[in-house]
Formats: sequence, structure tokens, C-alpha cells
Amino acid sequence: EAGVTQSPTHLIKTRGQQVTLRCSPISGHTSVYWYQQALGLGLQFLLWYDEGEERNRGNFPPRFSGRQFPNYSSELNVNALELEDSALYLCASSSQGLPYNEQFFGPGTRLTVL
Amino acid sequence: DQQVKQNSPSLSVQEGRISILNCDYTNSMFDYFLWYKKYPAEGPTFLISISSIKDKNEDGRFTVFLNKSAKHLSLHIVPSQPGDSAVYFCAASFTSGTYKYIFGTGTRLKVLA
Repeated sequence: EAGVTQSPTHLIKTRGQQVTLRCSPISGHTSVYWYQQALGLGLQFLLWYDEGEERNRGNFPPRFSGRQFPNYSSELNVNALELEDSALYLCASSSQGLPYNEQFFGPGTRLTVL
Repeated sequence: DQQVKQNSPSLSVQEGRISILNCDYTNSMFDYFLWYKKYPAEGPTFLISISSIKDKNEDGRFTVFLNKSAKHLSLHIVPSQPGDSAVYFCAASFTSGTYKYIFGTGTRLKVLA
């Protein structure tokens, strides 16, 4: 069974640009979560999508947004990039049917903002 | 406000000895706790979890202890192996409602051969 996949693996952008990160969940999973791991910090919760709708978001500005498609894949968009957006962005998926909604993580996208 | 804290950024242990990783939380409403392990260039992988109705959960070499009154949990690895060298994140969650995990900042464990 294929795990959570993310693309691209690495990305370099400059301040002010926009970026789109992509995530494909494990087959059968309907929930997708996005996390940011900046240097020296833990995983910070960004967004949760389930059944195509945004269910919850963390303490991030509105320039962080996303969506979930009918096939449950998801995109994370970041507008007006700032230097502090440089981080590892992790996507996780879960099935509502699993006990306590265990989340399975992808390998992440490393974003560098110059 | 960091609701889940891992105060030790790193830990070194001899192979075969016990590794103890600690985690503290501030929100008494958390009712589900997890440990994830992360190798470089990989996403975190689930290790072990514990519900707040329990104070201990064991899975092979890994045991998680929960002390609700102290809002503290710990992960014991016995015996430690070099392959256990990784960053360990504890996370807290609610079993209803938001389903989001609140992660700690991680502890880098190095098991010396």
C-alpha cells in the first residue's frame, strides 16, 4: 500500500513569491493535515481538511491556505512568502474509521525562501 | 504558548541501556497522547500511543507512561539500539472534535554502539 506522497521534495523561492505544495493521502483516507516544522521548532499544525472542507486551522496568517480535491488530495498555498516561511512542510492523512484517527505522514517538502 | 513541551533537545545513551524521553503538557483536556519517531529526510512515523484512561502502554521495547496529575508522559526504550537514533516527538490530542495533534519540539536521541 502506497504511503502519503508529497511534491515537490525541495523548493527554493524568493520573498514575495507564491508557492503551492501538493499531497496525496493514503488510499481510503479522507482527512489531510498540514504541519510546518521550522528550524528548532516542533511540528506546528497548519490546516485540517476532511471530505473536501476545511475543518480547522492553526495560528497562521491568511496567506496560508489550501484546498482538498474530490479525490482527497490536497494543496497548500502560501502567498507573499517571507523568510520565516522557510521550513519543512509535512502532510499527514488519516481515516475516520481508524481508532483515534492515527495520522500517517509523508516525507515533507523542504521550502527555502531567500 | 507551547502546550506540549520536550525540555531536552538531545539525549545520548549507550546501546543496551534504557532511554527515557520526557514530555510535559499544559492542557488538562488532552485525552490522547502519541509518540512519533522521525529519521532525517523522512516523515514522522507513529511509534506508540496512550489514552488518558491508562497510565501505561507497552509495545515490545517501547513503553509509554502517563502521569495525569503531573501532566507528564515519558517514553522508555529498553534496550536501546543504534537504529533507535532519531528525533522523537510527543504529541497530544483530543479524541473528539478537532483531531489535530499538538506536537512538542522533539528530542534527538543518539544511541551509541
